[in-house]
Amino acid sequence: GAGVSQSPSNKVTEKGKDVELRCDPISGHTALYWYRQSLGQGLEFLIYFQGNSAPDKSGLPSDRFSAERTGGSVSTLTIQRTQQEDSAVYLCASSQNRGSYEQYFGPGTRLTVT
Amino acid sequence: EDQVTQSPEALRLQEGESSSLNCSYTVSGLRGLFWYRQDPGKGPEFLFTLYSAGEEKEKERLKATLTKKESFLHITAPKPEDSATYLCAVTYGGSQGNLIFGKGTKLSVKP
Repeated sequence: GAGVSQSPSNKVTEKGKDVELRCDPISGHTALYWYRQSLGQGLEFLIYFQGNSAPDKSGLPSDRFSAERTGGSVSTLTIQRTQQEDSAVYLCASSQNRGSYEQYFGPGTRLTVT
Repeated sequence: EDQVTQSPEALRLQEGESSSLNCSYTVSGLRGLFWYRQDPGKGPEFLFTLYSAGEEKEKERLKATLTKKESFLHITAPKPEDSATYLCAVTYGGSQGNLIFGKGTKLSVKP
């Protein structure tokens, strides 16, 4: 079956602009995660959605970052007033449920802020 | 202090030269330990989940083991196509399902 898809694959934006990144999870997966992978930093958790529950936003680095998940499926991560330190690969993952279930990752969106 | 530490950071092997990668963790109440493979420009690819000390899982040339404080990924007779970055991650009571990742081991296998 289809895996997790993300778009765009690459995004170059100017400092101060807003960007939207999209994630389509695996069909039937109720849990959706966003992570950020920076050079030399490893993957860090950003935000988590589970069904219709309130999202876990504990990993968001600032209030410039927000995300939503419509209809329990597609998710959009929005970064407002982008800064150069936002440059990274943004990865989306989905799993059957929260907890110990393995997470399956998309190919990521490489964001470059100039 | 990092909760998940992987070593070595980089490993260069000759084709056929077996070795092991290490992942040590300091979290309490481990719920699961995960190994992923990541190729350049791609997202992590799931390999294994281990849940309790003593558990082992195998896939082709890879074998993952788990103790109370660390996990090993053994690579037997590696081939050049095994070259990738291998990531270790854990979930525990405090992470509530979110993966806590190590920084990875970059493996290069030369023919």
